Amino acid sequence: NAGVTQTPKFQVLKTGQSMTLQCAQDMNHNSMYWYRQDPGMGLRLIYYSASEGTTDKGEVPNGYNVSRLNKREFSLRLESAAPSQTSVYFCASSDLHTGNEKLFFGSGTQLSVL
Amino acid sequence: QKEVEQNSGPLSVPEGAIASLNCTYSDRGSQSFFWYRQYSGKSPELIMSIYSNGDKEDGRFTAQLNKASQYVSLLIRDSQPSDSATYLCAVNGGDSGAGSYQLTFGKGTKLSVIP
Repeated sequence: NAGVTQTPKFQVLKTGQSMTLQCAQDMNHNSMYWYRQDPGMGLRLIYYSASEGTTDKGEVPNGYNVSRLNKREFSLRLESAAPSQTSVYFCASSDLHTGNEKLFFGSGTQLSVL
Repeated sequence: QKEVEQNSGPLSVPEGAIASLNCTYSDRGSQSFFWYRQYSGKSPELIMSIYSNGDKEDGRFTAQLNKASQYVSLLIRDSQPSDSATYLCAVNGGDSGAGSYQLTFGKGTKLSVIP
């Protein structure tokens, strides 16, 4: 099993450009998450999807949109990228409905906005 | 604003020693507590979870929880150079349905085990 797969691994954008980060999991998990990690700031939750068909804001949702395409896939879209969105983005999944709160993380996307 | 505080380190310990990592949290309603390990340039991985007061041991790792003091710690016995990483404390958002999905992470403590 691949676990949680994120694409791309690296991306450079110019201010104002848009892009979508893709995430897919093959563990049949109900819940999926998008986090960003900045130096000295730890991991911060952007959006999460408790189950297929639902999405909710996390701590830092401004400037982002998400789509839970199906049970496997959860994408994160930057409509108009800003330098403040330069960060490492991690997708994660969990099977919280079974009482297991363990997060499984993807390998991350290093995004630079110039 | 729910907060999770960790000493950023770096914490340096000699090989074979006990490494002690500490974490405090602000939300008294928090129910679940986790320690994630993150190697440089890699994604976090769960190493310990704890839900009730007291100690929980798993191999060389012991997690300790004191809800009255809002304090969580991780002890690593017989530290090895391979334990050198950043350790992230994470606390869930309380017993509400939505809160369970919203982990708050500390900024992490960087541990360096010196051979």
